[in-house]
Amino acid sequence: DAMVIQNPRYQVTQFGKPVTLSCSQTLNHNVMYWYQQKSSQAPKLLFHYYDKDFNNEADTPDNFQSRRPNTSFCFLDIRSPGLGDAAMYLCATSRLSGGSYNEQFFGPGTRLTVL
Amino acid sequence: GDSVTQMERPVTLSEEAFLTINCTYTATGYPSLFWYVQYPGEGLQLLLKATKADDKGSNKGFEATYRKETTSFHLEKGSVQVSDSAVYFCALKNNNAGNMLTFGGGTRLMVKP
Repeated sequence: DAMVIQNPRYQVTQFGKPVTLSCSQTLNHNVMYWYQQKSSQAPKLLFHYYDKDFNNEADTPDNFQSRRPNTSFCFLDIRSPGLGDAAMYLCATSRLSGGSYNEQFFGPGTRLTVL
Repeated sequence: GDSVTQMERPVTLSEEAFLTINCTYTATGYPSLFWYVQYPGEGLQLLLKATKADDKGSNKGFEATYRKETTSFHLEKGSVQVSDSAVYFCALKNNNAGNMLTFGGGTRLMVKP
């Protein structure tokens, strides 16, 4: 089945220790998104890629970076995690065609704990 | 800017009860409207959608009708099951505003046997 895969499902890191979260997709979608979802809140878009074109949301902290080496993979790098970065991180994909972004498909999420 | 408002307090129902979760929106133009469901510890799954006024989205017994006159997209189900316990997010996507999803705050549903 075509899907969005996130690894690991649970990640524990230490305060200030860089961490990388991974997302892969078999849908061949040209757009990939990273969201941050804190407890009992709606997902908040951090950034998205259209192919290799990176689009950062205005209020995303510099501490969050992303890489997309190819169509299938996208990484979220947190350079110096703080306690406030503990959250669920959701990856999603969609296809941009005809100037319109189609439905987003979400992965299961990675829950990040910062000690 | 665009916004989505949902009932924030948790909803607790007995099995087979009727469910309504209210959702209203503010947007320019003609957004598409969505309901996503998030089961415990999981990512979001698209439950249903509607792309124009008076469209009715439906899936797994859930329904929602795009009401432009009241700017609403209320989620309903005639008979809920324990397995419907989850958090439900209403969202809109506006072609006039960068095509990104704008989410409501989510409504937690708990169904008791």
